[in-house]
Parts: sequence; structure tokens; C-alpha cells
Amino acid sequence: DVKVTQSSRYLVKRTGEKVFLECVQDMDHENMFWYRQDPGLGLRLIYFSYDVKMKEKGDIPEGYSVSREKKERFSLILESASTNQTSMYLCASSPGLPLAKNIQYFGAGTRLSVL
Amino acid sequence: KQEVTQIPAALSVPEGENLVLNCSFTDSAIYNLQWFRQDPGKGLTSLLLIQSSQREQTSGRLNASLDKSSGRSTLYIAASQPGDSATYLCAVNNYGQNFVFGPGTRLSVLP
Repeated sequence: DVKVTQSSRYLVKRTGEKVFLECVQDMDHENMFWYRQDPGLGLRLIYFSYDVKMKEKGDIPEGYSVSREKKERFSLILESASTNQTSMYLCASSPGLPLAKNIQYFGAGTRLSVL
Repeated sequence: KQEVTQIPAALSVPEGENLVLNCSFTDSAIYNLQWFRQDPGKGLTSLLLIQSSQREQTSGRLNASLDKSSGRSTLYIAASQPGDSATYLCAVNNYGQNFVFGPGTRLSVLP
């Protein structure tokens, strides 16, 4: 079974802190994704990565950065946390090819509260 | 730009009923469509994947259909159980590596 592991289930941080959310997958997947999920807004893509050291902006990248130094690990960084970044953060991975069978697997999520 | 909608937004049914959840998308040039289940406060669990060349997929009491030309997919749940209570999301893949999600349908199955 594919396993996507997010390092924390719950996090509480202060405004202005630098926050690291870590995600690890164990299936040698090419693609990794970070989403945030808010009531009424659904899942929104923050950043994604097709390969090591590659990253692409999603729909809402402002205030976030990412790092993918190893294939299995994809980190989301909040450079200076703000209260409007309080949310559920979901990491996902997918194999990539073939496209018709490209399926996403999700981690359990990290609920971040910024006070 | 692909847009995905789901109707209804919420649904409450008595245990044992068969039910249908709907997913619509605006751009029919898709590679696949995936149905997920999400329990409160948890991540998403993949239920079914339908490739663009397929019309339907079945897993246990779940059956998902795909009509690309009309931009629709349905998730049919037979003999619903209280344990089926969750939010169901569909996601469309037509940008190759990326996915566009619907807002979800919140299902409650009453004992």
C-alpha cells in the first residue's frame, strides 16, 4: 500500500514564526502536491513538484515556499505565518505516468492553527 | 479553465437506501476522474479511478460511471450504511499531472 506520511497531525504556531510541514511518500512517486482545505473553498493547490528540485506554483502560492531535495520528501514552508494561514494542509503524491492511470494518494493532513 | 461541481452539497438518507452522487466538469478532455472519501478531520481516501476510455468502475457497493461527452460522472452507493457517512469528492485530471477537485457532497446515512 502506498503510504504518504505527514509529520504532524496538529500544529499551533504564533504569527510571524517560520513553519515547516513535512511530507514523505514511500512509493517512489514522481509527483508531489501540497493543498490547503478550508470550509466552503474546497481543496486548493498551493505548490506541486514533478521531480527532485523542481517546483511549480499552484493556485495560491503566496506566502508559501516548498523544497524537494529528495524524491520521497516534499516540504511546505510558511516563511512568516499569518492567521489567514490557519487551515488543514494536505499532502499528496502520484506516480505521474501513464496519465490515464495517474492516481493521487493523500496523507492524513496537518491541521495548523496560527495564533 | 476546468471547473468541477458536485450536486447535492449535502445529502441525508436512511440506512439501506441506494443513492447517487453527481460530479460535473466543464472540459471533457480528461485523462481520468477519481472519486475520494474524506472523514471529518482526516485526509482523502481514494475510492475509484475511471480512465477516460472507461465507462464505469465498480468496487464492492460502489459504482462510478463516466460520460465524458456530457461532462458528468456519478457515484452510486448501494444499500447505504451509517459507516458510509463522509464527504465524497471527485477530482478530474486533464492537465496531465494536476487534478481539479469538486467541492464535495457531505453524506449522512441515518441508522
